[in-house]
Amino acid sequence: KNQVEQSPQSLIILEGKNCTLQCNYTVSPFSNLRWYKQDTGRGPVSLTIMTFSENTKSNGRYTATLDADTKQSSLHITASQLSDSASYICVVSSTGTASKLTFGTGTRLQVTL
Amino acid sequence: EAGVAQSPRYKIIEKRQSVAFWCNPISGHATLYWYQQILGQGPKLLIQFQNNGVVDDSQLPKDRFSAERLKGVDSTLKIQPAKLEDSAVYLCASSSGTSNYNEQFFGPGTRLTVL
Repeated sequence: KNQVEQSPQSLIILEGKNCTLQCNYTVSPFSNLRWYKQDTGRGPVSLTIMTFSENTKSNGRYTATLDADTKQSSLHITASQLSDSASYICVVSSTGTASKLTFGTGTRLQVTL
Repeated sequence: EAGVAQSPRYKIIEKRQSVAFWCNPISGHATLYWYQQILGQGPKLLIQFQNNGVVDDSQLPKDRFSAERLKGVDSTLKIQPAKLEDSAVYLCASSSGTSNYNEQFFGPGTRLTVL
């Protein structure tokens, strides 16, 4: 069964600090992996997408990594800002005739003063 | 570019009542998705349309949920009758194609509370 697990479930950090969110998946066959940011009361917005051959992808202060061998991904946020407070969802896409997206349950990040 | 529009933003109903949600995708996007997001969980795909045809409705509880996209643009999702466990945020998303490389753009969602 395709699954995506994220950790931690929630995280509180001080403004200006860095943090790393984890995503482990068992989706097969693997096509790509996206990280989404979901602000409270809003729909998810894509931050990065990585395919099998990509190890790292950056979008401003967000850097995602992918290890396709161990089926792990991480999202690193540098110099956090209050506006980074949101849920971060890892989404893995499978390929083939039954191509589907498998969503993780998300990590809820709160950045405080 | 206007985003995905959804209405209403909030809806409170009693169990066994009916409810309908509306979605207007990004102009030109042929693919439209409805997701159910229960509090604390990731979104779950209910139905996927390509133009006005259904691509995937394998997780749609067809005994009570229905969806249509008659003209290949706007879409409505209906629940009849509603149950307590239907309380969730219903997200609509659209993309320019069906490839899993195409980014899905999400609307703000409709938060449904069933009492």
